[in-house]
Amino acid sequence: GAGVSQSPRYKVAKRGQDVALRCDPISGHVSLFWYQQALGQGPEFLTYFQNEAQLDKSGLPSDRFFAERPEGSVSTLKIQRTQQEDSAVYLCASSLGGVGETNTEAFFGQGTRLTVV
Amino acid sequence: GNSVTQMEGPVTLSEEAFLTINCTYTATGYPSLFWYVQYPGEGLQLLLKATKADDKGSNKGFEATYRKETTSFHLEKGSVQVSDSAVYFCALKGRQAGTALIFGKGTTLSVSS
Repeated sequence: GAGVSQSPRYKVAKRGQDVALRCDPISGHVSLFWYQQALGQGPEFLTYFQNEAQLDKSGLPSDRFFAERPEGSVSTLKIQRTQQEDSAVYLCASSLGGVGETNTEAFFGQGTRLTVV
Repeated sequence: GNSVTQMEGPVTLSEEAFLTINCTYTATGYPSLFWYVQYPGEGLQLLLKATKADDKGSNKGFEATYRKETTSFHLEKGSVQVSDSAVYFCALKGRQAGTALIFGKGTTLSVSS
């Protein structure tokens, strides 16, 4: 597609349930980022992939959060045993360049709004 | 560490009014600076950017100048329209691809006719 696509757009999970959020980046984009945006806040970095390699996961808030990008394109963010504080919009962004390159513009998907009840 | 502080909203203006949204930053090195906009129901979109001191980014009538001496990147528009109603985020990023954007908390702008 022309842009970054995320699915589902909305997800309601019961506390303790596992969820999986999908991101389809722009074709050919090397870099992929996940961000978490709490209500009324700016997005906060979770993790970064260059192709299939997860180079930075310093923003993941706990070991319940796991992300993968096995073939260097589609990425999945998984949250195990969801808790109410996980309720947020999860944003995915991709950019053409990788580490060491200078093309840094990031294109964002519309996000997945997760509500944990 | 790196951080971005922007004025809290909401900002409420009448059509054709002048807009300023303040943004200051703390960073090591020489980051690139950005303004993103989020229209209702849509994803974040890059509005404008500046990559070095004294650069001016501009788009759709919006402008912001990278001021290293005051560590600021204030967003301005001379005459706002109802269609500019959105949430605006100031952000910074290290120069290399692979470094994450650091966002401010966002400022909601509401323009009435």
